[in-house]
Amino acid sequence: SQKIEQNSEALNIQEGKTATLTCNYTNYSPAYLQWYRQDPGRGPVFLLLIRENEKEKRKERLKVTFDTTLKQSLFHITASQPADSATYLCVIYSSASKIIFGSGTRLSIRP
Amino acid sequence: GAVVSQHPSWVICKSGTSVKIECRSLDFQATTMFWYRQFPKQSLMLMATSNEGSKATYEQGVEKDKFLINHASLTLSTLTVTSAHPEDSSFYICSARRGANQTFGPGTRLLVL
Repeated sequence: SQKIEQNSEALNIQEGKTATLTCNYTNYSPAYLQWYRQDPGRGPVFLLLIRENEKEKRKERLKVTFDTTLKQSLFHITASQPADSATYLCVIYSSASKIIFGSGTRLSIRP
Repeated sequence: GAVVSQHPSWVICKSGTSVKIECRSLDFQATTMFWYRQFPKQSLMLMATSNEGSKATYEQGVEKDKFLINHASLTLSTLTVTSAHPEDSSFYICSARRGANQTFGPGTRLLVL
């Protein structure tokens, strides 16, 4: 069956450390993958997009990797700050133009 | 950048009434808009895909007669929850797509008493 999983429901990180979130998928062939941030009571906000032929993408303190062999994407936040606390969603755009959301990882950065 | 608005941001209604939620793309034209529902601590669940000028495509398990979608223009889609019941209480989010970019609205919190 087709599935998209994010590593854990919640992640607790000390401020200043690197937070790493995992997104694994099975039985999809994503054309591209996106990461979104969602704060409580708000809609998701786009962070980064990575295409199937790209290995890595960076934007300021954010880095995304995409391994189509492992069927995995990693999302890193370096020098994490309490303001980075939010739920992060992995979203797959399959080649069949379907949009599939991961369940999200709730990240908490403690001072 | 692309901005999507939703109105209202929250609504409380009595059971049996109908509620309309508007989704607008403010600075771009969106041929496709999506409607999602999100329950507490869960991810977004796609309800339907709305294409301008044509009927919406509903996901399996979503009642099209209960959740009426109208996409009358390239900047406006509406979702009407008909004869709302307490189990329809949820966070409804729309998004508008232009090419590979999808922009989400801020969401509408619906509480049915």
